[in-house]
Amino acid sequence: QQPVQSPQAVILREGEDAVINCSSSKALYSVHWYRQKHGEAPIFLMILLKGGEQKGHDKISASFNEKKQQSSLYLTASQLSYSGTYFCGTENTDKLIFGTGTRLQVFP
Amino acid sequence: DTAVSQTPKYLVTQMGNDKSIKCEQNLGHDTMYWYKQDSKKFLKIMFSYNNKELIINETVPNRFSPKSPDKAHLNLHINSLELGDSAVYFCASSLQRQGKLFFGSGTQLSVL
Repeated sequence: QQPVQSPQAVILREGEDAVINCSSSKALYSVHWYRQKHGEAPIFLMILLKGGEQKGHDKISASFNEKKQQSSLYLTASQLSYSGTYFCGTENTDKLIFGTGTRLQVFP
Repeated sequence: DTAVSQTPKYLVTQMGNDKSIKCEQNLGHDTMYWYKQDSKKFLKIMFSYNNKELIINETVPNRFSPKSPDKAHLNLHINSLELGDSAVYFCASSLQRQGKLFFGSGTQLSVL
């Protein structure tokens, strides 16, 4: 039941774009996105609710397609500070189930 | 002021010992959680408390016992530690169930 993220890892140069996908085998009611830097705690990025809405946070945005049970995170013009592991989280009854994670590295 | 604080940050102990991790949040949240992050970085929920009541108890060995003395505190006691318990344990809180999670800095537990 753990959401599956793809790709597992991404390597970028500063200024390049990336897309991280999150797929669930169960119906989705909302999707969370978090970023975790090495040795630190996960930090909340955004929540997307049912309705296919797309939200944005600086140059990071996300979409949510509940019919396909998928969400995608878009990182535009990546910065060094974007490096880290990204997790999606999907609701299951009263708990948030985190995805498999995508490690993103941005180089100068 | 740290929003969600947990102690200790590092815990190194021998197999068979008993240890505790403490967590406190000053955000006024009503729901607190324990997550375990293993060596592959998978984050798995262990327990959740809402207003001091246990609402989520995943298939965790009963050697793990959470306690919430009040809404702002959630502790985790682990008996008879095993090698497989080595991981990073994160405390988190949210204003509502399934709301935005605020994580503590984590406790890296190493069982030798």
